[in-house]
Amino acid sequence: DAGVTQSPTHLIKTRGQQVTLRCSPISGHKSVSWYQQVLGQGPQFIFQYYEKEERGRGNFPDRFSARQFPNYSSELNVNALLLGDSALYLCASSPSPGTGSYGYTFGSGTRLTVV
Amino acid sequence: QQQVKQSPQSLIVQKGGISIINCAYENTAFDYFPWYQQFPGKGPALLIAIRPDVSEKKEGRFTISFNKSAKQFSLHIMDSQPGDSATYFCAASSRNQAGTALIFGKGTTLSVSS
Repeated sequence: DAGVTQSPTHLIKTRGQQVTLRCSPISGHKSVSWYQQVLGQGPQFIFQYYEKEERGRGNFPDRFSARQFPNYSSELNVNALLLGDSALYLCASSPSPGTGSYGYTFGSGTRLTVV
Repeated sequence: QQQVKQSPQSLIVQKGGISIINCAYENTAFDYFPWYQQFPGKGPALLIAIRPDVSEKKEGRFTISFNKSAKQFSLHIMDSQPGDSATYFCAASSRNQAGTALIFGKGTTLSVSS
């Protein structure tokens, strides 16, 4: 079975640009969450989506947005990139929004570098 | 405000020794406490998790000890092996929220020397 798939794996952008990151959850999982992991820190929650609806939002500016498609895949968009947005962006899928016994399964992430 | 505090930041253990990582939380609404293991270039992988209705959970060489009154929980890795060298994160969440966010600690880098 395929795990959580994220694309691209690496990305370099210039300050002020916009970026779109993509995530395909595990087959059968309907909930997708996005996390930002700055080097040397733990992941920080950005968004959670379930059945195409936003179910939770972390403490991130409006430059960050996301959406979930009918096939449960998801995109994270970041506008007006800042140097501080450089991080590993992780997607996690789960069967439902609640953390059941399966927990979340994380993808390997997209490494975004803003120069 | 950091809701989950993790220590130590780094840990060096001899092969065969016991690795112990501690976490403390503040929000009493948390009711799910997982530990994740992360290797360089990979996403975090769920290692073991506990709910506050039990004080200990063991899976193979990994044990979580949970102290609800002290709002603390710890990960014990018995018979530590070089392959256990990784970064470990504790986390916490509440299933009562409409959206469930995992709140992570800052991580512990474990090195197991052979």
